Amino acid sequence: DVKVTQSSRYLVKRTGEKVFLECVQDMDHENMFWYRQDPGLGLRLIYFSYDVKMKEKGDIPEGYSVSREKKERFSLILESASTNQTSMYLCASSWTSGRAYIQYFGAGTRLSVL
Amino acid sequence: TQLLEQSPQFLSIQEGENLTVYCNSSSVFSSLQWYRQEPGEGPVLLVTVVTGGEVKKLKRLTFQFGDARKDSSLHITAAQPGDTGLYLCAGSPGTYKYIFGTGTRLKVLA
Repeated sequence: DVKVTQSSRYLVKRTGEKVFLECVQDMDHENMFWYRQDPGLGLRLIYFSYDVKMKEKGDIPEGYSVSREKKERFSLILESASTNQTSMYLCASSWTSGRAYIQYFGAGTRLSVL
Repeated sequence: TQLLEQSPQFLSIQEGENLTVYCNSSSVFSSLQWYRQEPGEGPVLLVTVVTGGEVKKLKRLTFQFGDARKDSSLHITAAQPGDTGLYLCAGSPGTYKYIFGTGTRLKVLA
């Protein structure tokens, strides 16, 4: 079974803190993603990475950065957390089988910024 | 901008009833996935469909990919309370980016 593991299920941080969200996948997938999920807004892509040290901005990258130093690990960084970054954060990894791009998700990190 | 519209948005039914959820787009997808997400958890992959007209079954769940690969449906037979959750479709236009549907929140009452 594919396993995508997010380091924390729940986090509470203060405004202005630097926050690290970690994600590890065990299937040697090339592609990894960070999304946030908010009621009424669905899943929105923050950043994705298609190889080690490679990254591309998603739809809402402002206020976030990412790091991928190893293939299995993709980190999301909130440089200075703000209350509007309170959300459910989902990490995913994907692989390609023929024409199918198949994506698997972690259990999510619910972040509250006070 | 590519969009995936899901309908209905909300569905509350009694145990034992059948239901169908739709996922529609004007864009063509190379593959489409369906996920179920429970509160506080990440989406869990149910199925991937690739070929136009393809039908896949997963116990009481039947998934169909439209002939033109622009739409998909999920049919649940004899729904059970354990089917409760948020159902999401996600299409890939042939790249590693995904377009997510707006979601259908299903509640099955015992």
